[in-house]
Amino acid sequence: GAGVSQSPRYKVTKRGQDVALRCDPISGHVSLYWYRQALGQGPEFLTYFNYEAQQDKSGLPNDRFSAERPEGSISTLTIQRTEQRDSAMYRCASSLGQGSNQPQHFGDGTRLSIL
Amino acid sequence: GENVEQHPSTLSVQEGDSAVIKCTYSDSASNYFPWYKQELGKGPQLIIDIRSNVGEKKDQRIAVTLNKTAKHFSLHITETQPEDSAVYFCAAPADRGSTLGRLYFGRGTQLTVWP
Repeated sequence: GAGVSQSPRYKVTKRGQDVALRCDPISGHVSLYWYRQALGQGPEFLTYFNYEAQQDKSGLPNDRFSAERPEGSISTLTIQRTEQRDSAMYRCASSLGQGSNQPQHFGDGTRLSIL
Repeated sequence: GENVEQHPSTLSVQEGDSAVIKCTYSDSASNYFPWYKQELGKGPQLIIDIRSNVGEKKDQRIAVTLNKTAKHFSLHITETQPEDSAVYFCAAPADRGSTLGRLYFGRGTQLTVWP
């Protein structure tokens, strides 16, 4: 497709379960970013990749969160042993080039609800 | 890290009037300032951006101005239309070492345009 694609759109799971969120960036985009957005707030950075290399994971809240992009395209954000406070909208973005002045294009997100 | 403040949090205007949203940032090294429009149920959509080597950029009814000395930038929408109603976010990058690529977002402005 033409834009960033995220799946699933909605995910409801019980506390303690593991979840995996998928992001398919715009074709050819080098950099991929994960953000989390609470209701009424702007997106908050989690981690990002240039190609397959994770450049910055300092925004991940704790070691239950991890991300990978093994072939430099699709990325997966995994949350282990989910807790209710993990409930949020998780957004992925991609940019054509690397660096802080490259336009980032967002997907429509995955709404995660932990019961 | 960067600190981005956005005002106002809500803005109501009559159709045809202008709307202005303002943001300040803290990191004088920041050199790229995007604006996003987020409609209900959608991801943030990049609508305009400006780099630090220019003071103003226009795209039809939308313009962004940048004052690097004062560290603030503004979004101007002229001849507003009901379809401009959405949440608008400003952002600024981190431009320090390993945090290159991360965007810091303001808290958003809910713009409502009344017909």
